[in-house]
Order: sequence, then structure tokens, then C-alpha cells
Amino acid sequence: DAGVTQSPTHLIKTRGQQVTLRCSPKSGHDTVSWYQQALGQGPQFIFQYYEEEERQRGNFPDRFSGHQFPNYSSELNVNALLLGDSALYLCASSPWEVLLNGYTFGSGTRLTVV
Amino acid sequence: GEDVEQSLFLSVREGDSSVINCTYTDSSSTYLYWYKQEPGAGLQLLTYIFSNMDMKQDQRLTVLLNKKDKHLSLRIADTQTGDSAIYFCAESSINNAGNMLTFGGGTRLMVKP
Repeated sequence: DAGVTQSPTHLIKTRGQQVTLRCSPKSGHDTVSWYQQALGQGPQFIFQYYEEEERQRGNFPDRFSGHQFPNYSSELNVNALLLGDSALYLCASSPWEVLLNGYTFGSGTRLTVV
Repeated sequence: GEDVEQSLFLSVREGDSSVINCTYTDSSSTYLYWYKQEPGAGLQLLTYIFSNMDMKQDQRLTVLLNKKDKHLSLRIADTQTGDSAIYFCAESSINNAGNMLTFGGGTRLMVKP
């Protein structure tokens, strides 16, 4: 049973460009959350999707947007990239009914903005 | 606002017990979690505890929660070199809109043979 799958694993972009990161949740999970983890820090919540809607959002600018598809997979889009957007982006999934039991995290996408 | 604090680093010898501490500020936190992150990997959920519990034990792991002091600890018995990793505590307050985790900065555990 595959866990949470993220693609690509690594990415290098130039300032001002746009990027799309992808996530396939664990089988049976319908809720997807995205986190940003800067080097040496803990993950920070970006947003959470359920039933193809953004349910909660952290303190991130509108440059960060997302989408959830009918098959529960999700995309994270970042526009007008800044050097400070360089980080590990983690996707996490869970069944909506048991969010309290914690998430299953993917291995992340390492984004470097130059 | 919510804030979760952890010490940065802990070094122990193989076979000893490790205790990783965490403090949080959100009094409405209802669930607290411990995650483990190995180099180049995502986060692995180790255990979680409900705020109405004082202690939870799961094999080598013991979680203690002091709600009055907003202090959470993770004890790893018989620490092994494979336990070397970064450990994150996280708090959550669930509402109808979902469940957002607030993480601490992580504690790097180094286990010496």
C-alpha cells in the first residue's frame, strides 16, 4: 500500500517563476494538507483541502494557492517565487473523520529558488 | 497566538533513556503529537495524546503531559542508534473547519554507540 506520494522530489526555480507541486494521498485518505519546512525549522501549515475545498489556511500570502481533485490528489502552486520560498514542502493526508489521529506525511519536495 | 518550543539538541549514549521536552502556549490545544524526521525523509507519526490524559505508553515510548504547565515530554527507553533523528512535537485544536498542526522547531537527538 503506497503512502503519500509527492512529485517532484527536487526542483530548482528562478526568482519570479511559478511552480506546481503534486501530491497523491495515501489510499483511503480524503484530506490533504500542505506544510512548508524551512531549513532547520519545524513545518508550518499552509492550507488543508477536503472535498475539493480549502478548509483552513495558515499565514501564507495569496501567492500560495492549491487545488484538490476528485481523486483526492492535490497541487500546491506558488507564484512569483522569492528566495525565501526555498524549503521542503510536505504533503500530509488523513481521513477527514480521524484527523485527530495525525497525518501521514510524504517525503516532500525540496524547492530551491535561485 | 500559538507557540511551541523545544530544546535544539540532545545527546545520549546507546542504551540510555532519552527525554525530549516541549512547551506549548495554546490552552485550547486538545491533541498533542510527536513526530520523527530522519534525514531526507518526511515526518513519521510516533504517538499522540489527548489533552485529558496525563500519560501514554507505547512500547519504548512514554508521553507525559502536564496541562497546568503546558509541558509535554517524550521518553525513549533503551535508546538505539536508529533513534537518531529530529523529533518534533505538535499541537492541534480541531474545529469544524479541520485540523491544523503547529510544530515546534524540533530537537535533534544524537545517540552515541
